[in-house]
Amino acid sequence: DAGVIQSPRHEVTEMGQEVTLRCKPISGHDYLFWYRQTMMRGLELLIYFNNNVPIDDSGMPEDRFSAKMPNASFSTLKIQPSEPRDSAVYFCASSQDWLVGTEAFFGQGTRLTVV
Amino acid sequence: GENVEQHPSTLSVQEGDSAVIKCTYSDSASNYFPWYKQELGKRPQLIIDIRSNVGEKKDQRIAVTLNKTAKHFSLHITETQPEDSAVYFCAAAIGANSKLTFGKGITLSVRP
Repeated sequence: DAGVIQSPRHEVTEMGQEVTLRCKPISGHDYLFWYRQTMMRGLELLIYFNNNVPIDDSGMPEDRFSAKMPNASFSTLKIQPSEPRDSAVYFCASSQDWLVGTEAFFGQGTRLTVV
Repeated sequence: GENVEQHPSTLSVQEGDSAVIKCTYSDSASNYFPWYKQELGKRPQLIIDIRSNVGEKKDQRIAVTLNKTAKHFSLHITETQPEDSAVYFCAAAIGANSKLTFGKGITLSVRP
């Protein structure tokens, strides 16, 4: 397996534009997580899914953020409209069920810059 | 919800010395405690983990200890090398839902 795949790797956009980040988890993993990393706040969990169903979105900062997982092999995180304070590295991670193994495998991340 | 704290935020050691990084957690229901290493510009990667039914776990130069009563766990790195320089994140999870809560990370610098 190629691991967790995120796209794009880098995104530069103007304030007010819509941004869509994409993630392909490792095949067979039941859990998918979206994290945001900044110097000030470290790694923050935004939302996570279990078997494609959103379980906890309490970390989503505002209504401008939304996430979907239409099937087991694809998820998106959308920001609309984007703001400069959204600039961060966004990581997607996936893991198996607890009984099998809980290691979260991270993607390479998407570095988002909103100007 | 769970709150994980790491102290200190930065640590500098001489090559060959040992490094200890400590974390505390708040939710007594947490039962899974992994440590992730993130090198500059790269993704976090798991280096060692421990479950609450174990007090200590070792893997070559690294070890993790867990004190459930005090709700803290520590990462120990012996014979540090320059390639150990990175940001280290601790995390805690309640296994049933696999939601990982991370600490803010500590930057370890190993001086040659």
